[in-house]
Amino acid sequence: GAGVSQTPSNKVTEKGKYVELRCDPISGHTALYWYRQSLGQGPEFLIYFQGTGAADDSGLPNDRFFAVRPEGSVSTLKIQRTERGDSAVYLCASSFTVLDTEAFFGQGTRLTVV
Amino acid sequence: GQSLEQPSEVTAVEGAIVQINCTYQTSGFYGLSWYQQHDGGAPTFLSYNALDGLEETGRFSSFLSRSDSYGYLLLQELQMKDSASYFCAVRDGGRGKLIFGQGTELSVKP
Repeated sequence: GAGVSQTPSNKVTEKGKYVELRCDPISGHTALYWYRQSLGQGPEFLIYFQGTGAADDSGLPNDRFFAVRPEGSVSTLKIQRTERGDSAVYLCASSFTVLDTEAFFGQGTRLTVV
Repeated sequence: GQSLEQPSEVTAVEGAIVQINCTYQTSGFYGLSWYQQHDGGAPTFLSYNALDGLEETGRFSSFLSRSDSYGYLLLQELQMKDSASYFCAVRDGGRGKLIFGQGTELSVKP
């Protein structure tokens, strides 16, 4: 596609449920990043992939959060037992390599846990 | 760890010039980036400075002083469409992982 695509754009879920957020990066981009952004704050790093492997997952808040990128393209961020504090916009970004200075962001998925 | 500070809000009038400052503390420095984000939109890349000095891209310029751990984004000939949040960010460990500041909300008034 022309840009980074994230689906769904909005997700409302009940506390305790499981959710999956999808990111389709720009074709050919080997590096993929997940960030979380709360209202009025800057994006907060969660995890990044170089190819299929998670190169750095130090930003994942706890073990309820997990992300995969099995074929080195599409990535899924998975959140188990959601809590109200997980409500935020989840942003995905990609770049050609991890050394690139420019990252291309998607529009994000707005997650609301009620 | 890494931390960045920038003003939370700036207001300016159409046609004016505005400067958004950013100071940072990092354990290693690999460049300072600037991103723009409109309400509800995706952050978009504006500029990157790895070396001291001024980088100019059209109406936008970005400056870096590594000795002062300081940079700024300069926006000239402000337009209403420049109303947005602006984030400075540093690269962590020389890789693409970015650490962002809290953002500066710029309001451009007629």
